[in-house]
Amino acid sequence: GENVEQHPSTLSVQEGDSAVIKCTYSDSASNYFPWYKQELGKRPQLIIDIRSNVGEKKDQRIAVTLNKTAKHFSLHITETQPEDSAVYFCAASKGGSNYKLTFGKGTLLTVNP
Amino acid sequence: EADIYQTPRYLVIGTGKKITLECSQTMGHDKMYWYQQDPGMELHLIHYSYGVNSTEKGDLSSESTVSRIRTEHFPLTLESARPSHTSQYLCASGHGTQGGYTFGSGTRLTVV
Repeated sequence: GENVEQHPSTLSVQEGDSAVIKCTYSDSASNYFPWYKQELGKRPQLIIDIRSNVGEKKDQRIAVTLNKTAKHFSLHITETQPEDSAVYFCAASKGGSNYKLTFGKGTLLTVNP
Repeated sequence: EADIYQTPRYLVIGTGKKITLECSQTMGHDKMYWYQQDPGMELHLIHYSYGVNSTEKGDLSSESTVSRIRTEHFPLTLESARPSHTSQYLCASGHGTQGGYTFGSGTRLTVV
């Protein structure tokens, strides 16, 4: 089955700096890669996703890049703000009528004011 | 508003009690999932369903059971709760052949 590894497990940055979280996946058939943000005491929420026919996707301060050959994808947050502090999860799926997401173990991002 | 709802949000029960955690979604999603999440952050898949009368065990062994009699409802039952069941339980739903999940707000269970 699919295996997703996520690094780092914790990340601390100063407000205004950039943050990068990296994930690798094992199944070359995976073609959908979402990222979730979970604030303390709240539910995980989808913040951005990318499909395998695209190499990069941006949404304001957030971007995701995908390298299919190397089987890794990354989340980039620019101009970090304290409200970006949360746990971030990457995931991968190969789709189909019975698809399920395989999640990484999560990264605790702390943005220091 | 279309969403996924979990009840109760918090539950403290004694060892040996039978409990059912409720999960309902109003989005018409065919797929539903249960995750266990400890303070260590990782999401562990314990059960999932691809449609009515379909249930599968997830990657993490669990003593809980689930049922899917109606599309919108996916309850999780513990026949005899133990302190080791203390955790947060998250329900999620998905639709179609690809896409992200929508998560519920979770049930934080404490067994004393």
